[in-house]
Amino acid sequence: ILNVEQSPQSLHVQEGDSTNFTCSFPSSNFYALHWYRWETAKSPEALFVMTLNGDEKKKGRISATLNTKEGYSYLYIKGSQPEDSATYLCAAYTQGGSEKLVFGKGTKLTVNP
Amino acid sequence: DAGITQSPRHKVTETGTPVTLRCHQTENHRYMYWYRQDPGHGLRLIHYSYGVKDTDKGEVSDGYSVSRSKTEDFLLTLESATSSQTSVYFCAISPASGAYNEQFFGPGTRLTVL
Repeated sequence: ILNVEQSPQSLHVQEGDSTNFTCSFPSSNFYALHWYRWETAKSPEALFVMTLNGDEKKKGRISATLNTKEGYSYLYIKGSQPEDSATYLCAAYTQGGSEKLVFGKGTKLTVNP
Repeated sequence: DAGITQSPRHKVTETGTPVTLRCHQTENHRYMYWYRQDPGHGLRLIHYSYGVKDTDKGEVSDGYSVSRSKTEDFLLTLESATSSQTSVYFCAISPASGAYNEQFFGPGTRLTVL
């Protein structure tokens, strides 16, 4: 079973701050990297699906980059707002050993007003 | 929102009893997944289905079985529930292989095994 690591585990920022978190995954046999946003008492919702080295995706104030050669992805939030408070999950899909989506434990973001 | 429902939403049961959780979708998606979510762990895949009557094991499949007799329904069965199976269970669906397609998640079922 491949290991997907996320850091930090939790993060507290002030409204207006920009922030970023990291997702690390095995770079061999890489297929795709998913980012999900999970608000408390709700279900995870997809933010991005990224497949190519150098991919950059953006949705509003949230963006993500992908480095498949070194096995990491960054998620950036510009000008954090209280409604950005959520747990952000990444998940990697690789072949060999497991052909399923394997999730990290998430980064819990709290944005204080 | 993707048309995914889970039933029941909450269940309390006793050790040794059988339990079946149901996931129902109205999206006609081919792939369906069952995950469990526990403190200190990410979402962990239990079983998944890639078509009617086509299923495969995930990371934590011991103690669980699944069935998919119709495209829209994916059942998760705990044959003899144990306290270690106390968890929140999420169903997810995807139109094709999860590699390139996002997964859409149901609302979750909170199961407590006493």
